Amino acid sequence: DVKVTQSSRYLVKRTGEKVFLECVQDMDHENMFWYRQDPGLGLRLIYFSYDVKMKEKGDIPEGYSVSREKKERFSLILESASTNQTSMYLCASSFQPPVSYEQYFGPGTRLTVT
Amino acid sequence: AQSVAQPEDQVNVAEGNPLTVKCTYSVSGNPYLFWYVQYPNRGLQFLLKYITGDNLVKGSYGFEAEFNKSQTSFHLKKPSALVSDSALYFCAVRDVGGASNTGKLIFGQGTTLQVKP
Repeated sequence: DVKVTQSSRYLVKRTGEKVFLECVQDMDHENMFWYRQDPGLGLRLIYFSYDVKMKEKGDIPEGYSVSREKKERFSLILESASTNQTSMYLCASSFQPPVSYEQYFGPGTRLTVT
Repeated sequence: AQSVAQPEDQVNVAEGNPLTVKCTYSVSGNPYLFWYVQYPNRGLQFLLKYITGDNLVKGSYGFEAEFNKSQTSFHLKKPSALVSDSALYFCAVRDVGGASNTGKLIFGQGTTLQVKP
């Protein structure tokens, strides 16, 4: 079974803090994704990585950065957390096409910024 | 521009009745379509996909989806709903914009399915 794990299920941080969200997958997937989920807006892609040290901006990258130093690990960094970054953050991974398009998701991290 | 739409925020159905969750798409080229389900406080789980072939696709937990090219739709269906099917459902389409074939998906806004006993 594919397993995608996220470092925290719930996180409370203060405005201005630097926040690290970690994601680890055990399926040797090339692709890894960070999404943000908000009610009524669905999933919005923040960043995408298709290989170690390679990244691509998604639809809403402002205020975020990412790091992929090892194939299995993809970190999302909030440089200076703000209240409008309070949200559910979902990590996902997949093989690259044409092998597969299916993405496998972690359980999510609910981040509250106060 | 590519997009996927789920026109209903919520669908209510009685247990034992058939259910339909709607999805329409707009893409260039052949669509690759997906359905995911999210139970409370969990990540998304893959249900089924359409890449090519038969227009009726069968997936996990008794769900199926019908691809209709002329109506650009990919509705999720189940003949007999269970209370345990209550969850948030997302439709997604392969993103072929920019550098194509990266594996990115575009997700709809989600539909909450409520199955009442």
